Amino acid sequence: AQTVTQSQPEMSVQEAETVTLSCTYDTSESDYYLFWYKQPPSRQMILVIRQEAYKQQNATENRFSVNFQKAAKSFSLKISDSQLGDAAMYFCAYKIPEEGGSEKLVFGKGTKLTVNP
Amino acid sequence: DAGVIQSPRHEVTEMGQEVTLRCKPISGHNSLFWYRQTMMRGLELLIYFNNNVPIDDSGMPEDRFSAKMPNASFSTLKIQPSEPRDSAVYFCASSRRNRASYEQYFGPGTRLTVT
Repeated sequence: AQTVTQSQPEMSVQEAETVTLSCTYDTSESDYYLFWYKQPPSRQMILVIRQEAYKQQNATENRFSVNFQKAAKSFSLKISDSQLGDAAMYFCAYKIPEEGGSEKLVFGKGTKLTVNP
Repeated sequence: DAGVIQSPRHEVTEMGQEVTLRCKPISGHNSLFWYRQTMMRGLELLIYFNNNVPIDDSGMPEDRFSAKMPNASFSTLKIQPSEPRDSAVYFCASSRRNRASYEQYFGPGTRLTVT
């Protein structure tokens, strides 16, 4: 069964600094998708960034980037120039493609990020 | 474009009462998901539908839970009878089911408290 592990229950960062959130996953599949979702206090789940496993290039969305290490099954999220609005719970999630597989997203337990002014 | 709409946003009920949570997916999306979030168990998928048909309900905790999707624009999650351990935030999400678009869009959630 696929599992997603976020080993850091909580992290903190100073405003304008950089922080990296860790995520590892377990799968026997070769083709899959990985996601980072953000859940601010409003509790709305917001997609931050996604990565297709067949792509070697790491995904980037403005201040957010990932370090995808397929062999190591690692998918960390780097937030540069942290802002107060980045404070939230961050969830790593995994999905296998729909053909022959399910639509399920498997989520990690989350990392609570605090941004200090 | 309206996102996923859930109602109510908050629900407080007494043990034994029936609870119905409602969801309107994004127009044009053909997959719909119900999740439950608790501190202890995190985010759990309860059930998902493709083209209004339930595909996987293995996450539904027990027979007290049921979900329906009578048409492409509406789904309900019902708990009958409710119990205090059902207290959680329930999310609905939708997606367009094809390889080119696999992102799930979440609604704002319904916070359920069963006393």
